[in-house]
Amino acid sequence: GDSVIQMQGQVTLSENDFLFINCTYSTTGYPTLFWYVQYSGEGPQLLLQVTTANNKGSSRGFEATYDKGTTSFHLQKTSVQEIDSAVYYCAMRDRGSNYQLIWGSGTKLIIKP
Amino acid sequence: GGIITQTPKFLIGQEGQKLTLKCQQNFNHDTMYWYRQDSGKGLRLIYYSITENDLQKGDLSEGYDASREKKSSFSLTVTSAQKNEMAVFLCASSMGGRGAETLYFGSGTRLTVL
Repeated sequence: GDSVIQMQGQVTLSENDFLFINCTYSTTGYPTLFWYVQYSGEGPQLLLQVTTANNKGSSRGFEATYDKGTTSFHLQKTSVQEIDSAVYYCAMRDRGSNYQLIWGSGTKLIIKP
Repeated sequence: GGIITQTPKFLIGQEGQKLTLKCQQNFNHDTMYWYRQDSGKGLRLIYYSITENDLQKGDLSEGYDASREKKSSFSLTVTSAQKNEMAVFLCASSMGGRGAETLYFGSGTRLTVL
């Protein structure tokens, strides 16, 4: 069945470091891929969305890239700040899941001041 | 803009108790969702509803009931709370139920069962 794997449970960086979080997915279709961010005490909110048509998305200094060959999509930011501390979820929506989101397990980003 | 309001923010119950969580949205969105969030496990769909009085089961519906009596509200009932159960329940809404619609989430209800 459809699945999303997010291997990095926690990432610890210093301010101005480069961020890279990877997700891999499994589906037989043409999914739409998402990154949601969840700040402490809040619900998740959409950060980025990438379709198989455009391969890339960007928002708030973050960039997401999709690679159909390796069925992976990753989130990156050139220079993280303390305000980026949050949990980042990748998610996938496809016909196989009746268009409901399938979520990765989340990556907690800790930024050391 | 709109907001999703979940009540209560914290819910403490006893084993075997029936517990109800409530969610209201003022986006005028068609579809509403209940997710369970466990540490290290991501979000798992319990129920969703694409319109008033509609209910669709998610992967985690066993042990839960849901009710969508109005377009703006969606409630979730834990039919028999399990001891040591601790999770955050997230309500969300979206304009539609398919395709690339963005989900908007509330800040969650944290459940503890003693």
